[in-house]
Amino acid sequence: AQSVSQHNHHVILSEAASLELGCNYSYGGTVNLFWYVQYPGQHLQLLLKYFSGDPLVKGIKGFEAEFIKSKFSFNLRKPSVQWSDTAEYFCAVRPGTYKYIFGTGTRLKVLA
Amino acid sequence: SQTIHQWPATLVQPVGSPLSLECTVEGTSNPNLYWYRQAAGRGLQLLFYSVGIGQISSEVPQNLSASRPQDRQFILSSKKLLLSDSGFYLCAWSRDRSPSGNTIYFGEGSWLTVV
Repeated sequence: AQSVSQHNHHVILSEAASLELGCNYSYGGTVNLFWYVQYPGQHLQLLLKYFSGDPLVKGIKGFEAEFIKSKFSFNLRKPSVQWSDTAEYFCAVRPGTYKYIFGTGTRLKVLA
Repeated sequence: SQTIHQWPATLVQPVGSPLSLECTVEGTSNPNLYWYRQAAGRGLQLLFYSVGIGQISSEVPQNLSASRPQDRQFILSSKKLLLSDSGFYLCAWSRDRSPSGNTIYFGEGSWLTVV
């Protein structure tokens, strides 16, 4: 069955530290890939997405993600985090069907 | 622009009582509709999805059912709630072949507590 793995469940960083959240998926065909963010008390919002073309995708608020097909990975990065980045981050894959499969999420806490 | 509405936002129901959560999408036609449940440490679990009126696909066999009586309306139901049905339920929509490229959009969610 298709699945998405997020290896980091809780991450604590100081402001200005660099961030990388891992995401791996299990599906051998063409996929659409997403990162969503849920700020405290808010609903899920799209951070960035990959459909085709350049495997390095840039999203809002300075986030980027790199699709590495050979590793079935779509890791999220940010060079310098801010306190306002404290949130829960979800990786998702659309494996060529109508379904969207989400990972278990990573809770990021940024210390001021 | 498209909007998605989900209600009620919170509800507390006794064990054995029925459930009805409703979701509507505005500003688009023939959307794909979804119900997810979000649980701490378990991410978003896909419960049901629908690609058209009356078409429901169930992902997880459980005490819940879904219906799509109209194009932009999606309902999550239960005849008899269990304690384990407590959780945060999210409605979502997507649209194939759209300029946004199949992004899924979420409602604000409904907190269900079964007591």
